[in-house]
Amino acid sequence: QKEVEQNSGPLSVPEGAIASLNCTYSDRVSQSFFWYRQYSGKSPELIMSIYSNGDKEDGRFTAQLNKASQYVSLLIRDSQPSDSATYLCAVYNNNDMRFGAGTRLTVKP
Amino acid sequence: EAQVTQNPRYLITVTGKKLTVTCSQNMNHEYMSWYRQDPGLGLRQIYYSMNVEVTDKGDVPEGYKVSRKEKRNFPLILESPSPNQTSLYFCASSPTGPSYEQYFGPGTRLTVT
Repeated sequence: QKEVEQNSGPLSVPEGAIASLNCTYSDRVSQSFFWYRQYSGKSPELIMSIYSNGDKEDGRFTAQLNKASQYVSLLIRDSQPSDSATYLCAVYNNNDMRFGAGTRLTVKP
Repeated sequence: EAQVTQNPRYLITVTGKKLTVTCSQNMNHEYMSWYRQDPGLGLRQIYYSMNVEVTDKGDVPEGYKVSRKEKRNFPLILESPSPNQTSLYFCASSPTGPSYEQYFGPGTRLTVT
């Protein structure tokens, strides 16, 4: 069974801190990796996608991928209360799309 | 406005009464997909479609049917709903496939009593 695992949280950080969200996956040949943000009662929206090993930065967000360790992470710098949401990790391979259950992040003012 | 729409947004029904949840996108996307979201289980894929008349099962297809007769529409059909299909359902679309960004509809909250 292909799985995507995330710590459900809640993860609580103070405003301005770095939030670190982690995800592991079981399918070694996974090709594409995504982080979606989902506000309470809303639909998921894409924050970052990453396809190769290393770091990818977009504004305050950095995605990190380590295929050898089957690990993908999301760092949020200078966290804001508006970042409070559930973050979903998604892993894709060969028409098979898998989501983790999500990590709930709370940023306290 | 580019969007994915779903109807209805909320539905309460009884066991065994056939229902259809509609999904439509105006972005000319080839790929469309249905997911259900349950607490602690995350999003699980029900069915997906790579293009018109091309559909395939996802992770949890039992009890569901889909069709893709037009590029913009991808309805989800529950022929005989059961209480274990009570869930939050999302339709999503993508230009060419799930290896790129998926755009999600607003969700349909279904309760089967």
